[in-house]
Amino acid sequence: AQSVTQLGSHVSVSEGALVLLRCNYSSSVPPYLFWYVQYPNQGLQLLLKYTSAATLVKGINGFEAEFKKSETSFHLTKPSAHMRDAAEYFCAVTPGTPGGYQKVTFGIGTKLQVIP
Amino acid sequence: DTGVSQDPRHKITKRGQNVTFRCDPISEHNRLYWYRQTLGQGPEFLTYFQNEAQLEKSRLLSDRFSAERPKGSFSTLEIQRTEQGDSAMYLCASSLQAGTNNEQFFGPGTRLTVL
Repeated sequence: AQSVTQLGSHVSVSEGALVLLRCNYSSSVPPYLFWYVQYPNQGLQLLLKYTSAATLVKGINGFEAEFKKSETSFHLTKPSAHMRDAAEYFCAVTPGTPGGYQKVTFGIGTKLQVIP
Repeated sequence: DTGVSQDPRHKITKRGQNVTFRCDPISEHNRLYWYRQTLGQGPEFLTYFQNEAQLEKSRLLSDRFSAERPKGSFSTLEIQRTEQGDSAMYLCASSLQAGTNNEQFFGPGTRLTVL
């Protein structure tokens, strides 16, 4: 069984400020973890992924996330927010089985608002 | 490679009508997934195909829903006797079995509105 909890359905930051979006997971097996971004009326785009290699993962658009097993967390950060970062962000988990069945469980999402 | 495509992008229908959506995955991907996303929620898994075989269906997929992938390429999702509660974004994703990181690539979605 697996689940994802995203704390804060809405987050507001000022342009240039630190972005921190929180994600905690639960998984009965070692997980793979993902962050996706969704712009209005569009599908999901992968930002970054953790697949049991380096615990600090760098993604596109300046985002990064750190896998912390002891805290069962995979928080997403970006040092300086841009207006174009305003979107909805989803944390997701799958069983960490390479090539295995890949059921993805998503969190409810966090809407990021960037204030000029 | 043009990515995952879905058709139509938007569908408005009256309650009780049948609707069908199509998904074309990335050409070399043998796994295909359908998700439903309602307002304020993350995508919820509906069903999964490996090649033409439908290997898992969620309990969310009532008897009114049916999905097919007849030749292991494109897939269709049909909803019969639509209800207002079916209004949602329907997302399709695909992945490669040989991939080592379970990454799924998503299409732009079909937004269904049932009046």
